[in-house]
Amino acid sequence: QSVLTQPPSVSGAPGQRVTISCTGSSSNIGARYDVHWYQHLPGTAPRLLIYGNNRRPSGVPARFSGSKSGTSASLAITGLQADDEAVYYCQSYDNSLAVVFGGGTKLTVL
Amino acid sequence: QLQLQESGPGLVKPSETLSLTCTVSGGSISTNNHYWGWVRQPPGKGLEWIGGIFYSGNTHYNPSLKSRVTISVDTSHNQFSLKLTSVTAADTALYSCARHYYDAGGFYEFDTWGQGTLVTVSS
Repeated sequence: QSVLTQPPSVSGAPGQRVTISCTGSSSNIGARYDVHWYQHLPGTAPRLLIYGNNRRPSGVPARFSGSKSGTSASLAITGLQADDEAVYYCQSYDNSLAVVFGGGTKLTVL
Repeated sequence: QLQLQESGPGLVKPSETLSLTCTVSGGSISTNNHYWGWVRQPPGKGLEWIGGIFYSGNTHYNPSLKSRVTISVDTSHNQFSLKLTSVTAADTALYSCARHYYDAGGFYEFDTWGQGTLVTVSS
């Protein structure tokens, strides 16, 4: 059971927009800790997609964006492409002095 | 370009100690704004943070694993290592090392990851 809750799966057609939610609590996201997002393809290293709630590392397309409000955060992907198909994880920090992750969301491009 | 590579046995017997090393290349492990961490992913499950170490030797562990985990650093070889004692089948996972951004405000994102190494606990 992950501390941060994500939907197990989302899907969308090429060109569409999808969002992935990440729900925490008052001891992590709600405690004003930043949320970060990763893209993970099997057999490869996870890739940092969004850091500091809404910042993109260099090289990450503007199609990826993040937001945070209260005890939740969201990752939005616009203009879906076939190679966006991956598992996406959110991550934050908790007052229990632990780094915490979401359970991961598998994105399927139809 | 910074790269991290895990190494160590892929099979460990129950009750024994899991030992892994992460070798950092393309950059120094002795940086002021990074911890060097370990994250694992059991088969079919999500990511779990194990802990991390600063180049000075300061450590930060997941409270749920703290009693069994030791992370150490070897700056002369640009490496850091993980030891997990008294392993059980529940410790079977893909173990990855990663660079963890840190400043006075706390811990933030993992900006560079290794590909991970699968460790199976079985007799």
